[in-house]
Order: sequence, then structure tokens, then C-alpha cells
Amino acid sequence: QQPVQSPQAVILREGEDAVINCSSSKALYSVHWYRQKHGEAPVFLMILLKGGEQKGHEKISASFNEKKQQSSLYLTASQLSYSGTYFCGTHERRGGADGLTFGKGTHLIIQP
Amino acid sequence: GAVVSQHPSRVICKSGTSVKIECRSLDFQATTMFWYRQFPKKSLMLMATSNEGSKATYEQGVEKDKFLINHASLTLSTLTVTSAHPEDSSFYICSARTGGPNQPQHFGDGTRLSIL
Repeated sequence: QQPVQSPQAVILREGEDAVINCSSSKALYSVHWYRQKHGEAPVFLMILLKGGEQKGHEKISASFNEKKQQSSLYLTASQLSYSGTYFCGTHERRGGADGLTFGKGTHLIIQP
Repeated sequence: GAVVSQHPSRVICKSGTSVKIECRSLDFQATTMFWYRQFPKKSLMLMATSNEGSKATYEQGVEKDKFLINHASLTLSTLTVTSAHPEDSSFYICSARTGGPNQPQHFGDGTRLSIL
């Protein structure tokens, strides 16, 4: 089941903050965050596995709620290089075919 | 580290041609490789999961006879689009992972396939 990402798009000025949300109707095994620039491969940002988990660093961090149905990605004091499309990929089951189901993406544009 | 190479990056060919795309993990052993398809400005859609030495597991709606996947070694997986038609035109992208689902997937640069 495809996770729901919001917002669809964000336009910020350099230095502003952004929050991108990813939610599922089912409890998830894990959430993976990626950033993709136009015409390039998605780049891995981080994985969250545990309910209540928060990880990352000062500039880019993420959280996973206790019920493991929602994750948020936090971009602080955004830089021009943060522009791109952010995808959350979720994993619902263990074993067998265990690829990620990606949300529709959030387009982030950082303006100088 | 964790570099995945995908080749070719762009293919243009006539309808009816079969096209092979290679995905290689250059500096790690990939126990599992994944193939995704991405339409312009859309999300990545999982096509299949392949484990080294095993048959690929295809997602619902993906024709296994159309999209042949081989994962012969821990560093190479191939996707062959057989008898390609214009509707198969898309961006195909592979990823590779070592270990289980709590490990990150590392993506190749993708192959843009255009069928005339």
C-alpha cells in the first residue's frame, strides 16, 4: 500500500525550514528516506526502524512515531543543495519480496 | 562506498527489439537487488526483487515473461525487456542491498528506455 506524502511541493528561501510527512494506514517495518535530483538516482538519507525513533543530524533529521505509521523528515536552515524530490519508501513485510513502496514524492525548491 | 553502476544509461531502439540492462554493485556484495520503473515526475514502482541464485519475485501486474531478471552473482543483476513496445518506454532503475530489509538500498543511475 502506497504511503501518503505531504506536502506535494514546497518552495522555500535559503535558510528556511521544511517538514515532509509520510504516513501509512498500517504499521510499518521500516521507513527509508531518499532524495532524488532530476535525471539522477535517488540518494539514501536514512532509515528508521523503531517506534519513537529520531535520527539524523542538526540539518537533516527524521522521526518515526510510536505506532510506526508516520514519519517526518526535517530540513533545517535549508541550503540550495537540498533542492530535489524527497521520497519515503516503506517496508511492510518481512522476507520474500521485500522491496520498498515509495510515496509520490515531495518536490522541494530552494530559492536564493 | 556503496556504488551501484547501471548500464546503459540511455537506449533508443525499434519496437520488437529486446533490450538488456545491467546493474552492478561495484564495492559491495549485493545479496538482494531490486528493479523499479519510474514514469516522468512520478514515483518509483517496484517491479521485482531478486536474490542471488534464485528466481526473481515479481510484483503483481508485472509480466515475468516480458521482464526477464537474472541475478547470477553477488555483484550483477540483469533486466531484459523482451520484444519491447512503445508502452515499455520508461526510466528503469535498479538498487542493491547487502543484508536484510533494515539495510539501505543503493540505487544505480537508471536507464532511460525509448522504444520507437
